[in-house]
Amino acid sequence: QSVLTQPPSASGTPGQRVTISCSGSSSNIGGNNVHWYQQLPGAAPKLLIYSNNQRPSGVPDRFSGSKSGTSASLAISGLQSEDEADYYCAAWDDSLHGVVFGGGTKLTVL
Amino acid sequence: EVQLVESGGGLVQPGGSLRLSCVASGFTLNSYWMHWVRQAPGKGLEWVANINQDGSKKYSVDSVKGRFTISRDNAKNSLYLEMNSLRAEDTAVYYCARAIGAAEAYWGQGTLVTVSS
Repeated sequence: QSVLTQPPSASGTPGQRVTISCSGSSSNIGGNNVHWYQQLPGAAPKLLIYSNNQRPSGVPDRFSGSKSGTSASLAISGLQSEDEADYYCAAWDDSLHGVVFGGGTKLTVL
Repeated sequence: EVQLVESGGGLVQPGGSLRLSCVASGFTLNSYWMHWVRQAPGKGLEWVANINQDGSKKYSVDSVKGRFTISRDNAKNSLYLEMNSLRAEDTAVYYCARAIGAAEAYWGQGTLVTVSS
């Protein structure tokens, strides 16, 4: 019952482009920035995208983010085996006065 | 090198208390909003609480209001989470995180809290 809605799973073959969606409402995505995290098995989450479409230093440009209205997307191009991980979207929620996360999407590289 | 090191987790009985600590190094804690985020076994991320740079603003998720208290000691470069009246559903890895929605975002490796009799 996460506030932000993500598909539970996604998959692709090496070299393919995959997208992961994140749906919210006017109190979170609609009025605030969206951020994306990658969590490799057994590791702490790592920031991939902040402020909708900005990449921190060191994140490959294969990763990109976008936002439109109350939805956001993470795109991964040139899929690699090391991209197999869980991906989470996050945003501030004005009604809850806190950060809300999506339920996470498990990406499998076939 | 930036580091966040959590400690204080462990096994506690339902109704018990724990105090988590997070020590920062490689940067000045008082420049950032700080957060606690938890992850139950096999589940997704859940934001727990945050605190602004001087400790004057604090927010928390409804499920922990009245039970958990976030605080900080900038002089000791440390963040804390006081957890009381613990329940089985509080069982999780608790992460300390810096600036969740900014380029400077950084997370510690987490500390496991298990609430069980």
